[in-house]
Amino acid sequence: GAGVSQSPSNKVTEKGKDVELRCDPISGHTALYWYRQSLGQGLEFLIYFQGNSAPDKSGLPSDRFSAERTGGSVSTLTIQRTQQEDSAVYLCASSLGTVNTEAFFGQGTRLTVV
Amino acid sequence: AQKVTQAQTEISVVEKEDVTLDCVYETRDTTYYLFWYKQPPSGELVFLIRRNSFDEQNEISGRYSWNFQKSTSSFNFTITASQVVDSAVYFCALSEAWSGTYKYIFGTGTRLKVLA
Repeated sequence: GAGVSQSPSNKVTEKGKDVELRCDPISGHTALYWYRQSLGQGLEFLIYFQGNSAPDKSGLPSDRFSAERTGGSVSTLTIQRTQQEDSAVYLCASSLGTVNTEAFFGQGTRLTVV
Repeated sequence: AQKVTQAQTEISVVEKEDVTLDCVYETRDTTYYLFWYKQPPSGELVFLIRRNSFDEQNEISGRYSWNFQKSTSSFNFTITASQVVDSAVYFCALSEAWSGTYKYIFGTGTRLKVLA
């Protein structure tokens, strides 16, 4: 597609439920990133994919968070047993996968845990 | 350790004023890249500029200009003759070559409000 696409754009879930957030990167971009942005805060790195592998998962806040990428394209971020502190905007970005290239971001998924 | 600091949390200016957004970074790498992004109220981050550690030339693009100084580890962003449409949160980011993961480390952002 023309840009990074994320779905859903908004998600309200009950505490304790599992949620899946989807990211469709720009075609041809080998690198994919997930970030989290809490209200009024900066961007917190979660995980980085190069192709289908994740060489850097250092930002995942707990084992309730996981992500996968298939076919070097679409990625899914899964949050199990959601907690209220998981409420945030989850941003996905993709890039050509070299250090000297910029990342392009999607519109984000606003997750609200009630 | 890699770190990006944007000490200005929020800045308010009147339209047509010039404004400078500060960015200070920390890295142990000699090859790195710096970026600025704009996040308007719509929420989507928009890429503005990329600069590598070997190029200290200042850059100007229309009303925007960037001042990169390795001696002070700063990469400041100036908007000349600000406009209401410039109101947004601006993020500075760092990417290091040594880490191999190419992740972007973001500052906490500076919210710019341009008043008519």
